[in-house]
Amino acid sequence: NAGVTQTPKFQVLKTGQSMTLQCAQDMNHEYMSWYRQDPGMGLRLIHYSVGAGITDQGEVPNGYNVSRSTTEDFPLRLLSAAPSQTSVYFCASSYSKLAPETQYFGPGTRLLVL
Amino acid sequence: GENVEQHPSTLSVQEGDSAVIKCTYSDSASNYFPWYKQELGKGPQLIIDIRSNVGEKKDQRIAVTLNKTAKHFSLHITETQPEDSAVYFCAASTNAGGTSYGKLTFGQGTILTVHP
Repeated sequence: NAGVTQTPKFQVLKTGQSMTLQCAQDMNHEYMSWYRQDPGMGLRLIHYSVGAGITDQGEVPNGYNVSRSTTEDFPLRLLSAAPSQTSVYFCASSYSKLAPETQYFGPGTRLLVL
Repeated sequence: GENVEQHPSTLSVQEGDSAVIKCTYSDSASNYFPWYKQELGKGPQLIIDIRSNVGEKKDQRIAVTLNKTAKHFSLHITETQPEDSAVYFCAASTNAGGTSYGKLTFGQGTILTVHP
């Protein structure tokens, strides 16, 4: 098992550009989520999904879109990048959609928006 | 929604000493409290968790205690070693109910440094 994989590892964008952060898991987990990590603020939930075709907003969803067409993949799209979106992004998955316990995190994507 | 406060933000100890990190939560419906360890350049990894029907749980050198009445929980690391140096996050979760799905809310993190 590769677990949770994320690509790219690093990315530099200019303000206004769009991009997609990829996330995949091979554990057949129903629950997948995206967090951003900023200094002194912990991990904040952006969007999450409890299964293919089902997504919902987290704490900080503005400026991000998600879709879940398969159980394995959960991409995060930045529509028009802003400097405030400079952060480290983590994708995570969990077996149960009812209680997202024991979340497995990917290695993260470091994003810099100039 | 849930709010989780974590203290201290940084903690420095000598090898062999104990380390304690404390978290408080706001939602009395929260019933699952995990602790994650994040090493430099990596994603967080679950190290221990506790459910609301248990007051304490131990796993070798680490333990977690929960006080539901006061709505706080703590991570205890005994006999600390340099490899314990990392960022530690607490979190709180409620199960799904009605039309809502379970979500984890994280604390702000504690940078633990263990000096040899």
